[in-house]
Amino acid sequence: NAGVTQTPKFQVLKTGQSMTLQCAQDMNHEYMSWYRQDPGMGLRLIHYSVGAGITDQGEVPNGYNVSRSTTEDFPLRLLSAAPSQTSVYFCASSRTSGGPYNEQFFGPGTRLTVL
Amino acid sequence: AQTVTQSQPEMSVQEAETVTLSCTYDTSESNYYLFWYKQPPSRQMILVIRQEAYKQQNATENRFSVNFQKAAKSFSLKISDSQLGDTAMYFCASRRGNTPLVFGKGTRLSVIA
Repeated sequence: NAGVTQTPKFQVLKTGQSMTLQCAQDMNHEYMSWYRQDPGMGLRLIHYSVGAGITDQGEVPNGYNVSRSTTEDFPLRLLSAAPSQTSVYFCASSRTSGGPYNEQFFGPGTRLTVL
Repeated sequence: AQTVTQSQPEMSVQEAETVTLSCTYDTSESNYYLFWYKQPPSRQMILVIRQEAYKQQNATENRFSVNFQKAAKSFSLKISDSQLGDTAMYFCASRRGNTPLVFGKGTRLSVIA
């Protein structure tokens, strides 16, 4: 299993550009989520999904869109990049059966810089 | 809403010594789950240890153990026989039901030779 994969690993954007951060998992996990990590702030939840076709907002959803058309993929779209979106982005997945004790598996992260 | 607080932004420990990282949380739920994650310089998030709130026995994983004080809402991580490879950011997190993980802001641990 490849686990949770994220592409790209690094990205530089100009203010106003749009892009999609890709996330895929091959473990047949129902639950997927996106976090951003900023210095001194820990990991903050952007959006999450409990299954194909179901998404919900987290703590910091503004400026980001998600969709979940398949179990495997959960892309994160930046509609019009702003310097405040400069961050490291992590995708995570886990099973939902068996409850919240399940380990969440994290991707390697994407470092995004918005100029 | 759940909140997780890590009051120590940075800590250091000598190699082979023991160090304890603090974490407190706030929840109104009766059953919930607590986790410690490690993030080394590689940036990869690695699960260290986890605890179910209804289990009174403290979880242990090799050199890592927790001190879970449910009444005080405290969940500290003890690292014994610290190794250079333990140098990392450590995040405490909580979860209830199928809601997302809520993380603290992290503690940066440096192990000194």
